[in-house]
Amino acid sequence: AQSVTQLGSHVSVSEGALVLLRCNYSSSVPPYLFWYVQYPNQGLQLLLKYTSAATLVKGINGFEAEFKKSETSFHLTKPSAHMSDAAEYFCAVSKQGGKLIFGQGTELSVKP
Amino acid sequence: EPEVTQTPSHQVTQMGQEVILRCVPISNHLYFYWYRQILGQKVEFLVSFYNNEISEKSEIFDDQFSVERPDGSNFTLKIRSTKLEDSAMYFCASSEGRPVETQYFGPGTRLLVL
Repeated sequence: AQSVTQLGSHVSVSEGALVLLRCNYSSSVPPYLFWYVQYPNQGLQLLLKYTSAATLVKGINGFEAEFKKSETSFHLTKPSAHMSDAAEYFCAVSKQGGKLIFGQGTELSVKP
Repeated sequence: EPEVTQTPSHQVTQMGQEVILRCVPISNHLYFYWYRQILGQKVEFLVSFYNNEISEKSEIFDDQFSVERPDGSNFTLKIRSTKLEDSAMYFCASSEGRPVETQYFGPGTRLLVL
């Protein structure tokens, strides 16, 4: 069975600071991993995805994530937070496509 | 840019009533999904649909739920007799193909069952 754990339901950073959102997964097969972002009153938007190619994946809005098989992690980072990054972030896993299994989400707040 | 749309954005219904949530997937997409998110909980997979039939469903998707693609554009989720615990945000998603095509999500329908 596959599962995703996001450490920290809420993360607060200052504008310009590093953003680090943690995601650990469990999968019996090589996983495909995703980060989605949800702005208020909007749907889920794909930030980036890992599909067994390069382990460092670059996404939109300056975000990137690194797949670390030994740590079963896929943490999301951004070097410098912007006020517009405030949103809820979801990590998800799928078994080579198909249904997405989501983590519980991390709400990111950015302080001026 | 093409997007997935959902109607209505909000729906309030009485327990035991039938509701139909509507979605218009992106036009050239072939795979369709419904997910739901109960307030404060994870986004959960309900069902996937391909080639006019259900390809996978979760334990949540019991006999009270059904999906349909009645024409070439709409994809609907019907709940036959709503329960209080069906109150949630329901998301529709679509993707162009498999195995790892991106799933594009609609803005959701917030369902409140009283």
